[in-house]
Amino acid sequence: QSVLTQPPSVSGAPGQRVTISCTGSSSNIGAGYDVHWYQQFPGTAPKLLIYGNKNRPLGVPDRFSGSKSGSSASLAITGLQAEDEADYYCQSYDNSLRGSKLFGGGTRLTVL
Amino acid sequence: VQLVESGGGLVQPGRSLRLSCAASGFTFDDYAMHWVRQAPGKGLEWVSGINYNSGNIGYADSVKGRFTISRDNAKNSLYLQMNSLRAEDTALYYCTKDIETDTVNIMGDDAFDVWGQGTMVIVSS
Repeated sequence: QSVLTQPPSVSGAPGQRVTISCTGSSSNIGAGYDVHWYQQFPGTAPKLLIYGNKNRPLGVPDRFSGSKSGSSASLAITGLQAEDEADYYCQSYDNSLRGSKLFGGGTRLTVL
Repeated sequence: VQLVESGGGLVQPGRSLRLSCAASGFTFDDYAMHWVRQAPGKGLEWVSGINYNSGNIGYADSVKGRFTISRDNAKNSLYLQMNSLRAEDTALYYCTKDIETDTVNIMGDDAFDVWGQGTMVIVSS
């Protein structure tokens, strides 16, 4: 059970908007730590998609956006495309006990 | 910008293995570096990190006392010495680069902006 909770799966039709949530607590996201998002296709390494809650690295389409509020964060994908079908992970930091960098359990996005 | 891991393989429980990561295309000694692993069919798990000058190091509880991270800035290389390996250490091990320069404390919320292709470690008798 991950400290950062993501839905195991989400789906949407081409052209639609989907969101993926990442729910934490007062010792991680709620403590003000940044949230980052990664996209991973099967058999490939993860790729940074969103950093610092809402910033896109060069080359990431503006169809992808991130937000954070309280102890949760969200990744939104608009104008869904078949090529967006992948696994998505959130990442942050937790300051409980000795502290640790954390990933969410991951969300599989299926484009119908 | 590239990270290339090596050193993975099949190893018996209790034995050791050393992973290497060769970096190129960026000023290696400006950045903290990390190891992240992914067990087959599972999610991502941060394993260990080291700051730009090896002055600050951190480990996940699951590997503390068994794994040792190090770097050689003259060789643009990152290492992970893995001792007392267990079946649950079986995973694809990724070398990753911290997005921020000159990070002093690696135990923070920095993102990982460059990833290698990974090297597979299988712990089995």
